[in-house]
Amino acid sequence: SAVISQKPSRDICQRGTSLTIQCQVDSQVTMMFWYRQQPGQSLTLIATANQGSEATYESGFVIDKFPISRPNLTFSTLTVSNMSPEDSSIYLCSLLLGGTQYFGPGTRLLVL
Amino acid sequence: AQSVTQLDSQVPVFEEAPVELRCNYSSSVSVYLFWYVQYPNQGLQLLLKYLSGSTLVKGINGFEAEFNKSQTSFHLRKPSVHISDTAEYFCAVSPLLTQGGSEKLVFGKGTKLTVNP
Repeated sequence: SAVISQKPSRDICQRGTSLTIQCQVDSQVTMMFWYRQQPGQSLTLIATANQGSEATYESGFVIDKFPISRPNLTFSTLTVSNMSPEDSSIYLCSLLLGGTQYFGPGTRLLVL
Repeated sequence: AQSVTQLDSQVPVFEEAPVELRCNYSSSVSVYLFWYVQYPNQGLQLLLKYLSGSTLVKGINGFEAEFNKSQTSFHLRKPSVHISDTAEYFCAVSPLLTQGGSEKLVFGKGTKLTVNP
């Protein structure tokens, strides 16, 4: 398995601002992922972040709204830009290791 | 493309009773199969996975699941549940790439298991 940490664990933000979520892992991995879990819903993949290349976004998600960085094999950030109350969700990063995805503890975001 | 159907959104059971959480999937290619658990206010924890080999897989906390290719199912079972098993359970599939490995997961909508005393 892997140890994954996320910062912050939770935050309350004002609409129109931006928040950057950090994901740190204890293994060097090529593929990392960012998911959103809206209240009472399942997980939806936002984008795949491979080290050394641009992130690949899923339908309905765009780089201007959710810019992602992947500077090395153990770290990634997701920024939620120009936030609105509809962005209130849990944001989770995950990594792919041995054919299995392992998830971080999540960042709980509330936008007022 | 893949899809996952979890037939029951909520499953209430009494403590020490057996439980089965159902999961069916659809895919045109071979898949890996997973069950994750999410305890209240926590992230996702891997319960068990099927990558290959024996179709009966055992996971943590006494859970097991059986892969049935003909029925495209991967139901999760536990013979005797505890109150601490109260959580949301997610079934997920990942397409098996031709070069090996897998990538993005497709999740079901989740099943909320509530264990009552």
